[in-house]
Amino acid sequence: DAGVIQSPRHEVTEMGQEVTLRCKPISGHDYLFWYRQTMMRGLELLIYFNNNVPIDDSGMPEDRFSAKMPNASFSTLKIQPSEPRDSAVYFCASSPPGSEEKLFFGSGTQLSVL
Amino acid sequence: LAKTTQPISMDSYEGQEVNITCSHNNIATNDYITWYQQFPSQGPRFIIQGYKTKVTNEVASLFIPADRKSSTLSLPRVSLSDTAVYYCLVGAGGSTLGRLYFGRGTQLTVWP
Repeated sequence: DAGVIQSPRHEVTEMGQEVTLRCKPISGHDYLFWYRQTMMRGLELLIYFNNNVPIDDSGMPEDRFSAKMPNASFSTLKIQPSEPRDSAVYFCASSPPGSEEKLFFGSGTQLSVL
Repeated sequence: LAKTTQPISMDSYEGQEVNITCSHNNIATNDYITWYQQFPSQGPRFIIQGYKTKVTNEVASLFIPADRKSSTLSLPRVSLSDTAVYYCLVGAGGSTLGRLYFGRGTQLTVWP
């Protein structure tokens, strides 16, 4: 299995632009997570899905952030409009049925908002 | 929120055993204890998980006392490649997954 695949690997954009991050979870996994990592705040959970349904989005910073999972093999995290304080590494992770706490992470997207 | 407390950093030398202790005083009955490892520019990687007593795999051992209010990750004979950040998490599955809290973890540096 190729593992969790995230794209792009790096994204540089200007303040006010829309940013879309993409994730393909491991086949057969029914949980999908979006995390954000910064030096100041560490690794924070933004939102997670179970069987394509959002379960907890309490970590989403504000209305500028939105996440979707239209099917079991694809999810997006969108930031519109982006701000410099959104600069961080965004990780997607998935976990299998029966072992939900065993997360498999992607390589992350390094986002820089200028 | 099932937060945990770990040392911010630890240093060791190659070949030594390293023990990283995590406090989780408000662990719930159904919570498991899970440890992850993260190298620079990579996502965290699952190391080991346990509920009580001792768990061992090819990478590490996890010691959990009877009261489960703490746990210790033991890395035998570390090498330079074990330099990484180690996270301790407590939580159960299902709808409580949002309680999984990574925090800042413990930066382990292994010296030659």
